[in-house]
Amino acid sequence: SYVLTQPPSVSVAPGQTARITCGGNKIGSKSVHWYQRKPGQAPVLVISDDNDRPSGIPERFSGSNSGNTATLTISRVEAGDEADYYCQVWDTRSDHPGVFGGGTKLTVL
Amino acid sequence: EVQLVESGGGVVQPGGSLRLSCAASGFTFENYAMHWVRQVPGKGLEWVSFVSGDGTTTKYGDSVKGRFTISRDNSKNSLYLQMISLGSEDTAMYYCAKGRYGIFERFDPWGQGTLVTVSS
Repeated sequence: SYVLTQPPSVSVAPGQTARITCGGNKIGSKSVHWYQRKPGQAPVLVISDDNDRPSGIPERFSGSNSGNTATLTISRVEAGDEADYYCQVWDTRSDHPGVFGGGTKLTVL
Repeated sequence: EVQLVESGGGVVQPGGSLRLSCAASGFTFENYAMHWVRQVPGKGLEWVSFVSGDGTTTKYGDSVKGRFTISRDNSKNSLYLQMISLGSEDTAMYYCAKGRYGIFERFDPWGQGTLVTVSS
């Protein structure tokens, strides 16, 4: 089955740029979605289809996807961005197509 | 506004069964695939199951296949997850989530979740 690999943690100072990667075999050929999960809250979609930002998500959130790596970029990081972030793809050729990365804990220093 | 409200979680003994429900509102339910996703405490997200808008196509994660059954009642705008032969590894918060049209699925939005605890 398809595997997505994320770094367990990323740390960044307020106002700086955070980049969270998601690695997968030829992931550039798939649509990648990103979710933010804060403690005690349901996950929220922050980037859809590689780089689309849903309504209500700040412009500071952006995404890219090419080759074997997709990246979630958070510009001008704020304390409120501290959360776990998960990438996800739908592997249409698999019997169990829903795949999440292991998640990355973003810490705002 | 799209709303998803899960119910049916609770404490169940190992080997037991439980049926989760998800009440949907704010969108044309029958037009969209639906999913169950879970999160084991302290662990990451795990996709559990998918059902197409008309209910004819279902898919399951490896860890639940053969034990869990997803279904929907479009006349009641409701999604269900029947779980049997539960083990401690099934202890998790279970979320229902709205999908898309059965391809390139994403999960948006999510309900608040219902907690399932498997313990003797």
